Amino acid sequence: DAGVTQSPTHLIKTRGQQVTLRCSPKSGHDTVSWYQQALGQGPQFIFQYYEEEERQRGNFPDRFSGHQFPNYSSELNVNALLLGDSALYLCASEVAEGAYNEQFFGPGTRLTVL
Amino acid sequence: AQSVTQPDIHITVSEGASLELRCNYSYGATPYLFWYVQSPGQGLQLLLKYFSGDTLVQGIKGFEAEFKRSQSSFNLRKPSVHWSDAAEYFCAVEGSNSGYALNFGKGTSLLVTP
Repeated sequence: DAGVTQSPTHLIKTRGQQVTLRCSPKSGHDTVSWYQQALGQGPQFIFQYYEEEERQRGNFPDRFSGHQFPNYSSELNVNALLLGDSALYLCASEVAEGAYNEQFFGPGTRLTVL
Repeated sequence: AQSVTQPDIHITVSEGASLELRCNYSYGATPYLFWYVQSPGQGLQLLLKYFSGDTLVQGIKGFEAEFKRSQSSFNLRKPSVHWSDAAEYFCAVEGSNSGYALNFGKGTSLLVTP
């Protein structure tokens, strides 16, 4: 059973460009969350998708947007990249049903903005 | 404001010695509490979690943590550290005020010396 997978592993972009990161959740999971982890910091919550809708959003500008597909996979899009967007982007998946379910994390996508 | 504090940025211990990593939180009510570990190039792995009940929780890899409501703390412990425990450790909370999001501390980097 594959866990959470993310692509690409690494990405280099220049300021002003746009980027799309992809995430496939763990089998049986229907909810995907995205986190940004800057160097030397803990992960920061960007947003969560459930039933193809954004269910909750963290304190990130509208340049950050996402999408969830019918197969529960998800994309994170960042427009007008800034140097400060350089970070490890983590995807986490879980099952929505129940009071609490563990979030399983993928290995992340390392984004470098030059 | 809700916050998670890990006071120690770096900790160095000798192999075989005991370990305690500190975590303090500031939330309106008792949140769900977690400890995650992150090895280089890896995603986050859940070590243990606390929801309610017994305040001493056991996790994987020989780790345990104790919830102390009076001190708003959830410290991670291990009686004997192995070289493979060297990694970044994150304390996280999830509570009614944060919705579905995990709120992480900045992490503690553990170095294990021979």
